[in-house]
Amino acid sequence: DVKVTQSSRYLVKRTGEKVFLECVQDMDHENMFWYRQDPGLGLRLIYFSYDVKMKEKGDIPEGYSVSREKKERFSLILESASTNQTSMYLCAVGAAAGGLRGTGELFFGEGSRLTVL
Amino acid sequence: DQQVKQNSPSLSVQEGRISILNCDYTNSMFDYFLWYKKYPAEGPTFLISISSIKDKNEDGRFTVFLNKSAKHLSLHIVPSQPGDSAVYFCAAPDSGYALNFGKGTSLLVTP
Repeated sequence: DVKVTQSSRYLVKRTGEKVFLECVQDMDHENMFWYRQDPGLGLRLIYFSYDVKMKEKGDIPEGYSVSREKKERFSLILESASTNQTSMYLCAVGAAAGGLRGTGELFFGEGSRLTVL
Repeated sequence: DQQVKQNSPSLSVQEGRISILNCDYTNSMFDYFLWYKKYPAEGPTFLISISSIKDKNEDGRFTVFLNKSAKHLSLHIVPSQPGDSAVYFCAAPDSGYALNFGKGTSLLVTP
């Protein structure tokens, strides 16, 4: 299985602070994803990347940016944290399969619980 | 608009009985479905999947059934155990690279 490591399990930040969440995989998978999980809303896709320096917006990209300078590392950036970004952030990794279709499973990190005060 | 729907936010089942978790989808182009299990403070883990060329896939105590005409799938857990208590997410890959997830169903298995 792929090991997906997220840099921080728990963070507390103040409104307006810049926040970096980092994710590292130990395999050579092309696709990396950032989701957030909120009660009653499930998992929602923020951004994903299918190659180094490539990024695509997910369903809720507003207020976030990402960086993928190396294949194994995918960072989520909150330029100016707000209280509505308090959430559990989950990084996921998957191999490309069937060309553009990602039909394989995703491997998730343990999550980063962010609280913005 | 959500393409994968789990309309039951929670389910409580007695240990040893069957748990049935339901999932509906709206996109008829979906041809592969996955179930993930999530414990609190942990990331989701893959549980079982099914391709649209099948109507059933079984793995130990877990069986997923797919009804394409109804755009419905269900996860059966038999027999249910207290350790199965978790949030279960149904998911399907979209036309790009990501998975569309339902909102999840929280299963509680009581002794």
